[in-house]
Amino acid sequence: KAGVTQTPRYLIKTRGQQVTLSCSPISGHRSVSWYQQTPGQGLQFLFEYFSETQRNKGNFPGRFSGRQFSNSRSEMNVSTLELGDSALYLCASSARIQWDYGYTFGSGTRLTVV
Amino acid sequence: AQKVTQAQTEISVVEKEDVTLDCVYETRDTTYYLFWYKQPPSGELVFLIRRNSFDEQNEISGRYSWNFQKSTSSFNFTITASQVVDSAVYFCALSEAITGNQFYFGTGTSLTVIP
Repeated sequence: KAGVTQTPRYLIKTRGQQVTLSCSPISGHRSVSWYQQTPGQGLQFLFEYFSETQRNKGNFPGRFSGRQFSNSRSEMNVSTLELGDSALYLCASSARIQWDYGYTFGSGTRLTVV
Repeated sequence: AQKVTQAQTEISVVEKEDVTLDCVYETRDTTYYLFWYKQPPSGELVFLIRRNSFDEQNEISGRYSWNFQKSTSSFNFTITASQVVDSAVYFCALSEAITGNQFYFGTGTSLTVIP
């Protein structure tokens, strides 16, 4: 069974550009969450989607957005990139909608903004 | 306020030693789950254990064991007879019924096992 797949694995962008990251959940999983990991702030929740609907959003500026497609694949977009957006972005999927179920994480996309 | 605190930033042990990673959490919710994840250098977070707030039974899985104590809001993780492959960053996380499908992660403990 394939795990959570995130593409690309590495990305280098310039300040002011925008970027789109992709996440393919485990087959059959309908809940997808995104997290940002930085040395200074640690792991922080970005947003969570279920059946193409955003159910929860973390405390990030509007430059961070996401969406989920009918096949449960998800994308997140960051516009007007800042140096501080350099981070490892992790996607996680879950088979259930309930809050109490664990998530399987992907290996992440490492974004570097220069 | 930090919901999950992992006070140990870095720990180094010699192979075959036992090591305990501490986790203290804070929540007003009576229904919550606690998790431990392992993050090897590849970056992927690997699920280790999930424990709900109503089950204070300690758990053992091979060389791993977990001690959940609601009285002290702690959920500590012990590795017995550590091995080099245990070297990784370990994260404790909390999810609450009130905030739904959102994990609050601790800052992680970097464990190095020296051969």
